[in-house]
Formats: sequence, C-alpha cells, structure tokens
Amino acid sequence: EAGVAQSPRYKIIEKRQSVAFWCNPISGHATLYWYQQILGQGPKLLIQFQNNGVVDDSQLPKDRFSAERLKGVDSTLKIQPAKLEDSAVYLCASSLVRSSGITGELFFGEGSRLTVL
Amino acid sequence: DAKTTQPNSMESNEEEPVHLPCNHSTISGTDYIHWYRQLPSQGPEYVIHGLTSNVNNRMASLAIAEDRKSSTLILHRATLRDAAVYYCILRDNSGGGADGLTFGKGTHLIIQP
Repeated sequence: EAGVAQSPRYKIIEKRQSVAFWCNPISGHATLYWYQQILGQGPKLLIQFQNNGVVDDSQLPKDRFSAERLKGVDSTLKIQPAKLEDSAVYLCASSLVRSSGITGELFFGEGSRLTVL
Repeated sequence: DAKTTQPNSMESNEEEPVHLPCNHSTISGTDYIHWYRQLPSQGPEYVIHGLTSNVNNRMASLAIAEDRKSSTLILHRATLRDAAVYYCILRDNSGGGADGLTFGKGTHLIIQP
C-alpha cells in the first residue's frame, strides 16, 4: 500500500516570497491533516479536512496560510508571503474514518522542509 | 485535548527492555491513550493505543494504570532503530469532528550499542 506522498521534500525561499506544498493521501482516506513542525518541537496541527470540507482550521494563520482539498483527495498548503518564522517541516497525514464514525490512526508523509531566508 | 507529561529524554542499551512513562492525570472517560514515534527525518508513525486494558502489538506493549492517570510504553527488546522521539497523546475517540492529534515535546529515546 502506497503511503502519504508529499512534495517538494525541500524548499528554500526568501522572506515575502510564496510557496506551495502538495499532499496525496492514502487512497480511501477521507480525513487529511496538515501539521507544522518547528525544529525541536512536536508537530502542531494547522488544518483538518474531512473529504473536501474543513473540520478544524483554528490554528491556521489565515492572513498568510491557505489550504484546499479539491475533490476530496489531493491537498495543497500555501504560504504567502512567507516569514522567517515559517521555517519548519510541513507534514501531511491522512486517516480512515470507520463506519462507526471514529477516525483511525494517522499515517504521516515524510514532510516538506521549508527554509525561509 | 487533555495534556500529558513525559520525560524529555531517556537512555537505554541495545537489546534491553525500555519503559517509557507518561502521566495524564486529567484524562477523561472518552480519551484513548495513543503513542506515536518519530524517527530522525521522518514523519511520526503510529505505535499503539488503548483505553483501559493493557494492549500488545508487534511493535510494543502498552500498560495502563488502573486509574488511567498514567501509562507506560514498553519496548521489549530495543534496537538501534528504535531511537526516536516517542509521543504520548490523548485522543477523544467519541467520533466525528475535530480529532487531530495534539503533540507535546515527547521523550527522546537514545539507544546505546
């Protein structure tokens, strides 16, 4: 079974530039999450989708971050304009929703490492 | 999500058992105890989870205190590949809605050869 795919693996940009990250979840996984992991810290949830609807975006800095999940499959996370403090690894995860309505374990991709200069 | 407390780091020797503790004194009745680990330069991966009873799988065992205020992840025979950050997370599995995991800083497990 293919895992969660993310691209690019690495990206270096200057502050005030824009960047986009792509995620392809495991086939059949209705729920998709984007996390931000700053060096030395645990991952922080940015946004959760169920199919193509947003379930939770309470920690997404909406003035500069946006995310979409068209057709309920692939997702993109965009940062515009980037700040120095956005340097981090951006992790995508997906999970299956069981017939009981309970979400199963999360499967994470390898992440996209962003460096803002 | 209720919070958990873990030691910042632990060290163990290869091929010996490792017991990783986690305190969660404010756990609610619908919270499951989840463990994930993150190997260097990789995304987190699921290890095990439980509600009340002890659980075993191919990766590890989870021992849950009777009052559910603490738990211990047990790696029966650590290898160098088990060196990772281990996260203990409470997750409300009552179904539906926002259920993203809330990660703390975890325990950095160091394995000595």
